[in-house]
Amino acid sequence: DTGVSQDPRHKITKRGQNVTFRCDPISEHNRLYWYRQTLGQGPEFLTYFQNEAQLEKSRLLSDRFSAERPKGSFSTLEIQRTEQGDSAMYLCASSGDREGETQYFGPGTRLLVL
Amino acid sequence: SQQGEEDPQALSIQEGENATMNCSYKTSINNLQWYRQNSGRGLVHLILIRSNEREKHSGRLRVTLDTSKKSSSLLITASRAADTASYFCATDAGQRGYQKVTFGTGTKLQVIP
Repeated sequence: DTGVSQDPRHKITKRGQNVTFRCDPISEHNRLYWYRQTLGQGPEFLTYFQNEAQLEKSRLLSDRFSAERPKGSFSTLEIQRTEQGDSAMYLCASSGDREGETQYFGPGTRLLVL
Repeated sequence: SQQGEEDPQALSIQEGENATMNCSYKTSINNLQWYRQNSGRGLVHLILIRSNEREKHSGRLRVTLDTSKKSSSLLITASRAADTASYFCATDAGQRGYQKVTFGTGTKLQVIP
């Protein structure tokens, strides 16, 4: 068990560019979550996967955001036409599927949109 | 939106002292968790307390939960410089069979050696 990993750890991009982040959850975890955290705030829920199915999306996830988990293992989060307001830390977490299971977080991808 | 609010927003104590952080939330919950985040890093799970529990201990951590007041507290005893971090409470009010966790705004703790 190597924990949740995220790649890249840092991304600097220019406004209008597309970016894609990857999350590799703990291997036996069926559930995968994406969060966004801005400076001085707690993480905010973006979306949730049960295996490959995306079961809930936050209203924070505009049409420019898309997340996939094609084989029920790793997940990608893509932001199209980035805006300066997208600058944040993007956190991925995974958990088992029993009630009340702990979510284990990755180190995050810090995005800066210039 | 943030479900919980931590109080205080920032706390500075001397090493060896106890640190108490409070969390208030708005809706009924299944459980409440506390996480620690070192600067610019991911979150580390500390402790989970279920809605039918009132107090829980883990090492130097003590968590209480008062569902009638919709509040929780985290006590760190005999603090160490390594405890310097931001601490977040997170409530699980999910009703769809999965854990939809909502984080508070966090308490920034500084432990001075």
